[in-house]
This record gives sequence, structure tokens and C-alpha cells, in this order.
Amino acid sequence: AQSVTQLGSHVSVSEGALVLLRCNYSSSVPPYLFWYVQYPNQGLQLLLKYTTGATLVKGINGFEAEFKKSETSFHLTKPSAHMSDAAEYFCAVSDRGAGNQFYFGTGTSLTVIP
Amino acid sequence: DGGITQSPKYLFRKEGQNVTLSCEQNLNHDAMYWYRQDPGQGLRLIYYSQIVNDFQKGDIAEGYSVSREKKESFPLTVTSAQKNPTAFYLCASSTYPGDPQHFGDGTRLSIL
Repeated sequence: AQSVTQLGSHVSVSEGALVLLRCNYSSSVPPYLFWYVQYPNQGLQLLLKYTTGATLVKGINGFEAEFKKSETSFHLTKPSAHMSDAAEYFCAVSDRGAGNQFYFGTGTSLTVIP
Repeated sequence: DGGITQSPKYLFRKEGQNVTLSCEQNLNHDAMYWYRQDPGQGLRLIYYSQIVNDFQKGDIAEGYSVSREKKESFPLTVTSAQKNPTAFYLCASSTYPGDPQHFGDGTRLSIL
């Protein structure tokens, strides 16, 4: 079975500082990988995804993530944090099965300090 | 615009009562999913359906039931057997493997 670990349930950064949210997965084969953002009382919005090809993936709102197979990681970064980035972030993996079942991490709450 | 509509946004349940959460999608997706979200626990899969008239239990199906009579609809019933139903419920849909799951805006269920 797949599992996803997000290190750090809460991360605080200053406005303009680098954002780094960590995600590691366990899988016998490289899965499909996703990052989602959730604002209070809303659903999840896709930030970016990795399926095949280039391991550095660019997403919306200036976010990007790099798939590192040797480290089984898919960390999310943004060079300069903005106040509007404050939200909950979820890493997810899909096992490539026909049902497209997803496995989610427990989430990281990002606070941006003015 | 295509998307997923969940209703109601807020729902209250009395003791011993069954309640049904609605999920409708116009994305023409084959697969639909129900998740439960509790603080600090991420999303946990309740049920999913890959095609009409077929569905499978997820990790926490006890106390819940679903139906999939139409491609665009996947309602979730929280039964009186679910002793701790207070949570945020999210519905999602997708197509082929590798396609992101697309989410509705959720229903928050509370106990009166």
C-alpha cells in the first residue's frame, strides 16, 4: 500500500522568504504525485502534478516541485512567500491503478508572517 | 463551467438520524470519491465508484452508505451507526489514472 509523509504539520515563513514543504512517499514503483492547496472551508485545488517526463514541475501561483526518485521525495517550493499563500497544503500519490485511488498526507499548515 | 457541486454546505444531524450529502458533477468523469477530513488527519477515503451501479469501500466505510445510479451523481448517507459523524466531507471525481482528482467545496456536518 502507498503512504505519504509530510514533515512538519505547521510551517511559518516571513513574507518574501523561501517556502519549502516536504513530502516523502513509499511505493514499490514511482507513483503519480500531486500537491493541493486548501483554504478554510473550501475544497482542494490542484497546484501541480508529476506523472512522467521532466522531474521539475511548475504549478500555479509560482509553486514548483521536484520529483527525486532516489529520495522518494516530492518537496514543494516557492522562492518568495506571499500573504495569500497562507493555507493548508496536501501532498498526494496515486498508485496508477484503474480506480485512480489517491493517498493523502496529513497536511502542512503554512503561516506567512508579515 | 464544469465542476463538482456539493450540497448543503452546512448540515446538522440529530441523534439517531440518517442524513444524505449530495454530490453532483458535470465533468463527465467516470470515477467519484467521498472523503472525510478531520483536523490533523488529512483526507480519509470513505467510498469510491469507478462506474455507474458499482462502488467499493474505502478505509472508513463503517456507518456510511452510497449509491451510484447516475454517472453525474454520488450521494453519501451518514447513518445513525456512525457515532462520530462531525467532520468536513469532500467529494471528488476523476477520469483516467494520472488525472488529478477534482474536488467540490465540501459539506460540514455537525451534531445537534
